[in-house]
Amino acid sequence: RKEVEQDPGPFNVPEGATVAFNCTYSNSASQSFFWYRQDCRKEPKLLMSVYSSGNEDGRFTAQLNRASQYISLLIRDSKLSDSATYLCVVNYSNSGYALNFGKGTSLLVTP
Amino acid sequence: DVKVTQSSRYLVKRTGEKVFLECVQDMDHENMFWYRQDPGLGLRLIYFSYDVKMKEKGDIPEGYSVSREKKERFSLILESASTNQTSMYLCASSLLQGEGEQYFGPGTRLTVT
Repeated sequence: RKEVEQDPGPFNVPEGATVAFNCTYSNSASQSFFWYRQDCRKEPKLLMSVYSSGNEDGRFTAQLNRASQYISLLIRDSKLSDSATYLCVVNYSNSGYALNFGKGTSLLVTP
Repeated sequence: DVKVTQSSRYLVKRTGEKVFLECVQDMDHENMFWYRQDPGLGLRLIYFSYDVKMKEKGDIPEGYSVSREKKERFSLILESASTNQTSMYLCASSLLQGEGEQYFGPGTRLTVT
């Protein structure tokens, strides 16, 4: 079952660049969407929730397109510290409790 | 701050051994989860629990069982460890049903030889 799909990358970008990640999900009944960040050898942590109207948190912007069933994350003015794996997350279609994690997109920001 | 702790960071066990991985959260969360994470496969849900003594199978429950006798503690049990269960095991907890943030523990790197 491939409910959440992401381009694994790696995305190598210079500092200051703008980079965008997309993610597609298979079940139109999914209601909750998130981006998590996972640093090397660390646990995943919530970066931001994704709302239907789109939302922004500083340099990060998340968008949801329900019609096309994709979610995007835009990072502006990339910093070295943004280097990490970004996980697209969608709640399971048949359970209100559990989340389905994409395999992640790797980002490396270089000086 | 929410804290999720796991009993071991690194564990080495032999094939056939019974293995217990413990997870404790201190924020009175209803929901707790066990995942494994493998290169190229991402995070895969093994089991989750939405209440004490309640459990639900995730995507890959075979070879595993769980126990939730107290709200704060969720244990993952490998009845007879096999080499294909060598992996990073991550525990998580959340307050809301599929809507809220999941807080992860630091993980247990299990090697089965």
